[in-house]
Order: sequence, then structure tokens, then C-alpha cells
Amino acid sequence: QVQLVESGGGVVQPGRSLRLSCATSGFTFSTYTMHWVRQAPGKGLEWVAVISSDGSRKYYADSVRGRFTVSRDNSRDTLYLQMNSLRPEDTALYYCAKAGGGGVAADPFDYWGQGTLVTVSS
Amino acid sequence: SYELTQPPSVSVSPGQTASITCSGDKLGDKYAFWYQRKAGQSPVLVIYQDTKRPSGIPERFSGSNSGNTATLTISGTQAMDEADYYCQAWDSGTAYVFGTGTKVTVL
Repeated sequence: QVQLVESGGGVVQPGRSLRLSCATSGFTFSTYTMHWVRQAPGKGLEWVAVISSDGSRKYYADSVRGRFTVSRDNSRDTLYLQMNSLRPEDTALYYCAKAGGGGVAADPFDYWGQGTLVTVSS
Repeated sequence: SYELTQPPSVSVSPGQTASITCSGDKLGDKYAFWYQRKAGQSPVLVIYQDTKRPSGIPERFSGSNSGNTATLTISGTQAMDEADYYCQAWDSGTAYVFGTGTKVTVL
């Protein structure tokens, strides 16, 4: 079955960096678009970034553009999120999510990991 | 930027029907998706492309989308359906957008 396992979260000071990983199994990773989605404490879901199956196309939410970088290693079936210049408002549970396929506008987030918690605090 | 608005909370008695709305400009021209997030768990896709149910999702979950409003309906609501529900759509200017979320309480 499809499994997504995030790691790399923790407590970090404002302005520092952190890299999240999402190890996947149970599907052909290299053929699917992948996303990062976050949920701040007491808040709703917020889409963060998306990367195409071959890694050639990447898009970001305005709130993280220029600070976060999404990447993937299709040989390791793993998704990454490099987070630089972290701010307190980046504190959230970060999920990786698999796209269901069907084109951008018709594409659901069909499987989600359990999330990894990032806390930005001095 | 594109926004999706949901009621903060919906209460329903066991066995009754719960309807959760999601409002956005010309939402009916886009596909709507719905996710269920139970406390302490990851989100689960319950409706995709307005009306379709993924494998394993009970038939009591259904969706519709027209005009400016998408609706998730839970018929014969059970205690296990108590959760937060989020709608989602894709907009060419904003990319992937989630609704504000609705907490469903089964009284």
C-alpha cells in the first residue's frame, strides 16, 4: 500500500534552515507529482509547494517563495523540502502528499503522510 | 487571490444528514475536492472532482458543485464522521487553495 513518511522536523531558531524528507513506497514515485502542505497550530491546511514527476517544474505558495525549495530524488523515491530563512509563522505540521493524477486542475491530494512538526522559535 | 469559505462548524445528530458548504467565486467552473481530518490523524480524501468517491470511502459521503458553492453531504451521519472537513480547488492565479475548514460535531 501507499506509504509516505516525513522526517526532519524539529525546533529551529528564526532565520535558520531545515530540510524535510518524505520517504515513499507502494507506488511508482517517479511518475507522480508530489506536494508539501502544512497546518499551523489551530489553523487550516495551507498548500506550500508542488513538484512535477521529473522535477522540472516547481511552484510555491507566495508565503514561502524565495525561501523554500522543493526537490526530489526519483532513484531514492524521496521528496524533500529545503526551508531557509525560517520565520515563527512557518511553525506548522508539514505533510507530504501524493497527487492523484489527472491534470493540474483535476488533481486531488490522494495520499498523505503523517506529518513532521516544525517549530520556529528563539 | 482566490479564497474558499466554509462555515466554522456544523452540528448533526447521529443518523441525520450533514451538509457542509464551500463558497468561492465561480467555484462551479472548477473541480472541488474534500478532505476529512480526524483528530491526531492525517487528512483523507473523501470526494474528488466534485462528486467522485475514492475506493474505501462510504457511500454516505457525496458531493455537488454548482455556481459559487460546492457541498459535501454526509447522509446517515455516524459518530466516526466527527472530524474537520476541508474543501480544495485549483485556481490559475493562486494555485492550490484550501477552504477555511468546518468542524463537524455529531451530538
